[in-house]
Amino acid sequence: SSELTQDPAVSVALGQTVRITCQGDSLRSYYASWYQQKPGQAPVLVIYGKNNRPSGIPDRFSGSSSGNTASLTITGAQAEDEADYYCNSRDSSGNHHNYVFGTGTKVTVL
Amino acid sequence: EVQLVESGGGLVQPGGSLRLSCAASGFTFSSYWMHWVRQAPGKGLVWVSRINSDGSSTSYADSVKGRFTISRDNAKNTLYLQMNSLRAEDTAVYYCAREEVMTTVTLRAHYFDYWGQGTLVTVSS
Repeated sequence: SSELTQDPAVSVALGQTVRITCQGDSLRSYYASWYQQKPGQAPVLVIYGKNNRPSGIPDRFSGSSSGNTASLTITGAQAEDEADYYCNSRDSSGNHHNYVFGTGTKVTVL
Repeated sequence: EVQLVESGGGLVQPGGSLRLSCAASGFTFSSYWMHWVRQAPGKGLVWVSRINSDGSSTSYADSVKGRFTISRDNAKNTLYLQMNSLRAEDTAVYYCAREEVMTTVTLRAHYFDYWGQGTLVTVSS
């Protein structure tokens, strides 16, 4: 099955920009989606498709994709953006009916 | 308002069984593929299983294949996960999620636009 690799942790100063990456072969076939998860809460979709935000997600969140890498960028990070972030895509290996999550990135806002 | 509400979690002994439910409301349940995703304590999200809109097609992560069964009752707007032969490593919060699909000229996007609040399953003696 496919794997999606993320950096375990990143930190960003308040108001600065941070980019989180997600690498995997499945991203050559499917767009990644990105989820924010705060402690004790369910994940929340923040980016899907090429660069689409669900209603209610601030425009400081943006996405991009190239080859086998997808990125989530937070421009002007706020304290409330401190959370775990996961990418996800459909599996492109033997079983296209399966899905895979990235390993997760913990974002700390300093 | 779209709502997904899981129930059925609890403490079960290794080798035991449990059935989770996910009650859906606020949308046409029978039109959407649905998923179960789990998260072990302190760990990341792991995809578990998926079912298509009419229940005729299912898929499973290798770690649960042969032990878990996903199903749905579109008349009751409810998704289920029957978990048998439970192991300690199945201990996790289990979330149900709705899948949405967007097709573009280049790639397809499959994403989970709504999630339940989760139900905790603990497998321990």
